[in-house]
Amino acid sequence: EAQVTQNPRYLITVTGKKLTVTCSQNMNHEYMSWYRQDPGLGLRQIYYSMNVEVTDKGDVPEGYKVSRKEKRNFPLILESPSPNQTSLYFCASADYLELAKNIQYFGAGTRLSVL
Amino acid sequence: QKEVEQDPGPLSVPEGAIVSLNCTYSNSAFQYFMWYRQYSRKGPELLMYTYSSGNKEDGRFTAQVDKSSKYISLFIRDSQPSDSATYLCAMTGGNTPLVFGKGTRLSVIA
Repeated sequence: EAQVTQNPRYLITVTGKKLTVTCSQNMNHEYMSWYRQDPGLGLRQIYYSMNVEVTDKGDVPEGYKVSRKEKRNFPLILESPSPNQTSLYFCASADYLELAKNIQYFGAGTRLSVL
Repeated sequence: QKEVEQDPGPLSVPEGAIVSLNCTYSNSAFQYFMWYRQYSRKGPELLMYTYSSGNKEDGRFTAQVDKSSKYISLFIRDSQPSDSATYLCAMTGGNTPLVFGKGTRLSVIA
């Protein structure tokens, strides 16, 4: 089954404790992206990657890091999480043809709470 | 003015009603228009995709784009309780990355 898989689905942590949210897709997509979704603010892009070893900042990259060492994986790293990073996070992927139409496939989401 | 405006609702309708969901936008470069459906605790899933102006129909769903008014709509006919979800519009064009509306929460009451 074609899918985008995020782990963990739920995470509670404390300020300053480094964490990684993993994202994996099995569709051989070149493009992958991370979003956060907050009430009243909608979906905002954090980082995206056009291909292996190519990453770019989205609208709200501060406090986040990403890496794209392999095509299927695109982890989101919070080196020193803060309470304002409490949010619902989505990973998405697409191939270039779909990306030209900006069609993306989303994971189920990771709900992060930073205390 | 925000690039994409969408009324967050909530919108509550009886089963069988026709639902109209709308977004307005300000960027005239937008050419690709999408509607995503997001169930509670799930990621958004693509529902409809339209290029430029016009209508597109898929079963009970119809997407309309009016570029002259910078206005897009999603109509749901014969709404069902299973249609209860948050609906997000999204659009892109030119060099602008995908921009989402904030989503409208819809409840269809049996």
